[in-house]
Amino acid sequence: EDKVVQSPLSLVVHEGDTVTLNCSYEVTNFRSLLWYKQEKKAPTFLFMLTSSGIEKKSGRLSSILDKKELFSILNITATQTGDSAVYLCAQADYGQNFVFGPGTRLSVLP
Amino acid sequence: SAVISQKPSRDICQRGTSLTIQCQVDSQVTMMFWYRQQPGQSLTLIATANQGSEATYESGFVIDKFPISRPNLTFSTLTVSNMSPEDSSIYLCSVEGGSLGYTFGSGTRLTVV
Repeated sequence: EDKVVQSPLSLVVHEGDTVTLNCSYEVTNFRSLLWYKQEKKAPTFLFMLTSSGIEKKSGRLSSILDKKELFSILNITATQTGDSAVYLCAQADYGQNFVFGPGTRLSVLP
Repeated sequence: SAVISQKPSRDICQRGTSLTIQCQVDSQVTMMFWYRQQPGQSLTLIATANQGSEATYESGFVIDKFPISRPNLTFSTLTVSNMSPEDSSIYLCSVEGGSLGYTFGSGTRLTVV
């Protein structure tokens, strides 16, 4: 069974800190790796990564994929309390099969 | 990206009853996905719903417990049948958004008492 592993599972930082969240996957027929932020119920889309080594950025968030080593990282610089959330990564294959990781619960303290 | 209207947003139900959750998408989509998120857990795919055919269920989920309708390309329902407290979860529908990834409905928080 495909497996997506995230680390750490929880993280507490102070505002202004930089955090790196990790996601590793084991999958055949890989299509893309996605990152989501979940604050209440519905996850909101952050990034979709399909190619190795190409960093995607959105404001203070950035992400990169390493298809050789089968992992991705999500960086958040200058964290703010509004970044507190669960960050989920998910891998999708060409069969539209989706597997989510357990998530990293990030708490940013003022 | 597509906008999904999901309802109800929450409900408290008696055990043994059923609840139908609706998702309306503002554009036509081929596939819709239904997820469950149990307390403290990640998202688990229940089934994939294609218009005009029976839904495809993941291991551990069966049609009798989670019947799905997909009458057209913009709408789908998921019913949680004969509920027990173990069904208390957040239920989410999702559609593919191309380069924008997958979009989720706002979720339904179900509590079974």
